[in-house]
Amino acid sequence: GAVVSQHPSRVICKSGTSVKIECRSLDFQATTMFWYRQFPKQSLMLMATSNEGSKATYEQGVEKDKFLINHASLTLSTLTVTSAHPEDSSFYICSARMSEYNEQFFGPGTRLTVL
Amino acid sequence: KNQVEQSPQSLIILEGKNCTLQCNYTVSPFSNLRWYKQDTGRGPVSLTIMTFSENTKSNGRYTATLDADTKQSSLHITASQLSDSASYICVVSDEFPLRGGSQGNLIFGKGTKLSVKP
Repeated sequence: GAVVSQHPSRVICKSGTSVKIECRSLDFQATTMFWYRQFPKQSLMLMATSNEGSKATYEQGVEKDKFLINHASLTLSTLTVTSAHPEDSSFYICSARMSEYNEQFFGPGTRLTVL
Repeated sequence: KNQVEQSPQSLIILEGKNCTLQCNYTVSPFSNLRWYKQDTGRGPVSLTIMTFSENTKSNGRYTATLDADTKQSSLHITASQLSDSASYICVVSDEFPLRGGSQGNLIFGKGTKLSVKP
């Protein structure tokens, strides 16, 4: 099956710093990538949808200036959490979709802890 | 409102036993229903995908059923193993086009946390 990787898998940072998370589709080209956030014992919540070469579409309540998304190529999307605060601590998961299919393949997730 | 409800919230079973997880949804229109397994601290991994016309689908010891009339699905795990301990998430896809895309949205349930004990 298709493989999606994320880097880093775990990051701890100080409040006020920015953190970049990478999402890569390793063996397929992903026209669309999705970013999710998951709090403990909660379901995945879609943050934004990213199409290659265009601006990301953010879900209601997600600050686009705080969560910067770049999808510069068909295999890479990045999520930058700017000026992170403790309430941003969460599990961030990306997924990628081949253009012709509805199947989304999920990455392994990134655990962000903001001190 | 499109929703996916799962039960039970958590479940503890002994190794070797069978179990069944439930999923009820109110998503409309309906495109497909998926079951994912999510290990702690990992991303979800697809187990089964069923469209409207499919009643059952198996993947090894996992068997999913779908009743599109009652909008219910179940995931049956046979002869459970310790490695089955995980959260199992039911996800339903609608057919409304995503902004900027051409496929449906995924509506996630909160999952059932399964613990298999020796």
